[in-house]
Amino acid sequence: GESVGLHLPTLSVQEGDNSIINCAYSNSASDYFIWYKQESGKGPQFIIDIRSNMDKRQGQRVTVLLNKTVKHLSLQIAATQPGDSAVYFCAENNDYKLSFGAGTTVTVRA
Amino acid sequence: SQTIHQWPATLVQPVGSPLSLECTVEGTSNPNLYWYRQAAGRGLQLLFYSVGIGQISSEVPQNLSASRPQDRQFILSSKKLLLSDSGFYLCAWSFGQGREKLFFGSGTQLSVL
Repeated sequence: GESVGLHLPTLSVQEGDNSIINCAYSNSASDYFIWYKQESGKGPQFIIDIRSNMDKRQGQRVTVLLNKTVKHLSLQIAATQPGDSAVYFCAENNDYKLSFGAGTTVTVRA
Repeated sequence: SQTIHQWPATLVQPVGSPLSLECTVEGTSNPNLYWYRQAAGRGLQLLFYSVGIGQISSEVPQNLSASRPQDRQFILSSKKLLLSDSGFYLCAWSFGQGREKLFFGSGTQLSVL
């Protein structure tokens, strides 16, 4: 079946370094993708989104890359800070619904 | 600006008791509304979504039901809770135009004992 998934469940990164979180999707018809950040005990917070007519989109300290050929999505965080420690989810929007991957836990080392 | 309110933040209920979780959205009209459940350390599973008053779509057969009595109010209910209903429940909304991002509430941690 179709699914959205993240490559690695955990990522440990040194403060100040760049982080890269990867996500693979299997529905080739998907045309809208979103990255969320979830801190412990809280609801997911929108980070950035990208539509399939784009390959790259930048926000404040974050960049999302979309490779439709291999159905791969990534989130890059520049100069990772302690406040970036959280679980990151990619999500695929199919009409009115979002399908989420299992998430990657990012831990920032001081 | 739009805001979403979800309550209570935590809830401990005995097996077999009823459940009612409420979610309201302010600052927008005719939003799409959603209920998700998240098991510990897992992703989010869509339970119900609604594109209008009285319109409910169920994604997973289960012990739960949802209702939308008003445009910006979404309620998750159960007549008799099961142990397996424990989890983190999240309400969300989006603009009603199809492929749009969701905005989530702060969640309810439900423990069924």
